[in-house]
Amino acid sequence: DGGITQSPKYLFRKEGQNVTLSCEQNLNHDAMYWYRQDPGQGLRLIYYSQIVNDFQKGDIAEGYSVSREKKESFPLTVTSAQKNPTAFYLCASSPRPGQGPEQYFGPGTRLTVT
Amino acid sequence: GQNIDQPTEMTATEGAIVQINCTYQTSGFNGLFWYQQHAGEAPTFLSYNVLDGLEEKGRFSSFLSRSKGYSYLLLKELQMKDSASYLCAVIRERGYNKLIFGAGTRLAVHP
Repeated sequence: DGGITQSPKYLFRKEGQNVTLSCEQNLNHDAMYWYRQDPGQGLRLIYYSQIVNDFQKGDIAEGYSVSREKKESFPLTVTSAQKNPTAFYLCASSPRPGQGPEQYFGPGTRLTVT
Repeated sequence: GQNIDQPTEMTATEGAIVQINCTYQTSGFNGLFWYQQHAGEAPTFLSYNVLDGLEEKGRFSSFLSRSKGYSYLLLKELQMKDSASYLCAVIRERGYNKLIFGAGTRLAVHP
C-alpha cells in the first residue's frame, strides 16, 4: 500500500540530547514537509524539500535540521538547541506541481523531552 | 502579516447540520484546504477550493469567497464519528505548496 510512515509513534528523550524522527514515503512524491503541532495552535512548517538534495527553512526552523538524500526519505533531527521540543511532529508529502496540490500526512510522532 | 481565523470549539447534535467558518489574510493565495483530524492522528484531506463557489462532496461541502477572504465547511447529517478537529489551510505560494494553517475548530457531536 502507498503511504507515508513515521516512526516511532511515541518518543521520549532527555533534555540536551539530539533525536532524529523518521519519515518515509512510497508515493513517488517530489516534495516533503515537516510540521510541528502544539495544543491550540495550527500546524507550523519547520522545513520542506522540493527535490532530492535540496531543502528550505520553513517558519520555525531554528533548532532543527533535515536531510534529503533519497526521494523517499526526509528525516528530521531535533537538536538540543530547540528550546521547546515537546510536540506532535507531522511529516507530509505532495506530488510535483500540476499533479494535484494536496498534501498527504503521515501518522505523526509525539516527542516528549524531559 | 498572515492570519487564519477559525472558531476554537463548536458543538452540534447528531443528524444536524453545522457550518465551520474560516477567514484568512495572507500575503498570497493559491487555494484553500479543509482537513479533518481526529485526536492524536494525521490530518486527512476533505476538500480543496481555488475558485469562488461551493464544492460538494457527499455529506461535506466547502465554500470559498476570495474577495472576502472567507471559506466555510458545511457538514450535513452529522454522525458521532464527525467529532474531530477541522483545519483550514491556505496555499501561500504556487508550485510546491507552502501551507499556512489555522488553529483548527474542535467539533463535538452529541447524541
